[in-house]
Amino acid sequence: KAGVTQTPRYLIKTRGQQVTLSCSPISGHRSVSWYQQTPGQGLQFLFEYFSETQRNKGNFPGRFSGRQFSNSRSEMNVSTLELGDSALYLCASSSGQGAFSPLHFGNGTRLTVT
Amino acid sequence: KNEVEQSPQNLTAQEGEFITINCSYSVGISALHWLQQHPGGGIVSLFMLSSGKKKHGRLIATINIQEKHSSLHITASHPRDSAVYICAVRSGDSGNTPLVFGKGTRLSVIA
Repeated sequence: KAGVTQTPRYLIKTRGQQVTLSCSPISGHRSVSWYQQTPGQGLQFLFEYFSETQRNKGNFPGRFSGRQFSNSRSEMNVSTLELGDSALYLCASSSGQGAFSPLHFGNGTRLTVT
Repeated sequence: KNEVEQSPQNLTAQEGEFITINCSYSVGISALHWLQQHPGGGIVSLFMLSSGKKKHGRLIATINIQEKHSSLHITASHPRDSAVYICAVRSGDSGNTPLVFGKGTRLSVIA
C-alpha cells in the first residue's frame, strides 16, 4: 500500500508570491490534516479535511487555506508569502474515525521564502 | 488552553542505556501519540494510547490519565534510535479535535 505522498519535496519562493502544496493520502483514508513545523514553534496544526469538508482549523491567518477533492487528495495554499512562512509543511492521513485512527505522515514539503 | 510539555529537551545517551522521555499535558484528553522524527523530516507514529501501557520491540509507552502524564521508554538504546521524539494529544472526548504537540526531545545515542 502506497504511503502518504507530498509534492513537491522542496520549494523556494519569493516574498509576496503564493504557493500550492499537494498531499495524496493512503488509499481509503478520508481525513487529511496539515501541519507547519518551524524551529521556533515546533509542530502546529493548520487544518483538517474529512470527506471534502474542513473539520478543524488552527490559529493561522487567512492567507493559509486548503481544500480536499473527492478522491481525498488535498492541497494547501499560502498567498502573499512572508519570510516567516519558511517551514516544513507536513500532511497526515487517517481513516478519520475518532481518536484512535492511526496517523500516517508524509515526508513533508520544505518551503523557503526569500 | 491545552499545553503539552516534554522533558528533557535534549538527551545524549551511550549505546545500551535505558532512556525515558516524559510528557505532561494540562487538560483531559481522548488520546496521546508518541511520534518519531528522523533528520530529513519524515514522521512515524510510534504509539497511540489512552490508558495503561503499550510495548513494541524495545519501546514502551505508558500513560497516567489522573496525573496527566506519559512516558516513552527505550530499552537497550542504539544509535539508530537517534531522532526527535514528539508527544501529541487530542483534548476532549470526541476524538476529532486537533492534535497539540510538545516541542520534542532530541535524542542522540552514541556508540
